[in-house]
Amino acid sequence: SSELTQDPAVSVALGQTVRITCQGDSLRSYYASWYQQKPGQAPVLVIYGKNNRPSGIPDRFSGSSSGNTASLTITGAQAEDEADYYCNSRDSSGNHPRVFGGGTKLTVL
Amino acid sequence: QVQLQQWGAGLLKPSETLSLTCAVYGGSFSGYYWSWIRQPPGKGLEWIGEINHSGSTNYNPSLKSRVTISVDTSKNQFSLKLSSVTAADTAVYYCARERIVVVPAAIGKVPVSWFDPWGQGTLVTVSS
Repeated sequence: SSELTQDPAVSVALGQTVRITCQGDSLRSYYASWYQQKPGQAPVLVIYGKNNRPSGIPDRFSGSSSGNTASLTITGAQAEDEADYYCNSRDSSGNHPRVFGGGTKLTVL
Repeated sequence: QVQLQQWGAGLLKPSETLSLTCAVYGGSFSGYYWSWIRQPPGKGLEWIGEINHSGSTNYNPSLKSRVTISVDTSKNQFSLKLSSVTAADTAVYYCARERIVVVPAAIGKVPVSWFDPWGQGTLVTVSS
């Protein structure tokens, strides 16, 4: 399959924990990476591999994976975390083209 | 700190060829893949394709017939050409560096890849 499925929108109360999920057959074989995108800006990498954060990304962001589902968890969501979040992985077929999920808009209440 | 700076024509007519270039500053050009990714207005991200420093390419099957990605290692630049554009190709186009590493898995090893950093994006509008 060449699809990654994300919930279109998720909301979380300020300071609470939220999980954003990404489903797809290819996630049984490959890790996802996660990107945060704020309006008018380029996406920014927040999680890659099993659970790795680039320098500068707060430790409230974490990643996990089980079966065909990858998850991005924000523990203690902050107002500045309100953004669109995209997962990305490799497709299982052919030359393993990269595939993005449709994105999840996170609202912090 | 690696930075990607991109440029190209922002307004095209249907059937013309989109052409964008991305320059890499402050880091090694070899050892990575270099990708193009686009985002139609109000929509999600779509991976277009990638190239490495030796010119090996990989394209999105849905765009493969119209896409050419090339590299100029002497300038640390890579370029995107998309032919026969239509209004559906209107989007913000991003260049990005892709890092690929191989890590142990439950059975054997598995490649792990991610895009970082990204260029600033270029809005390309296709309109008659």
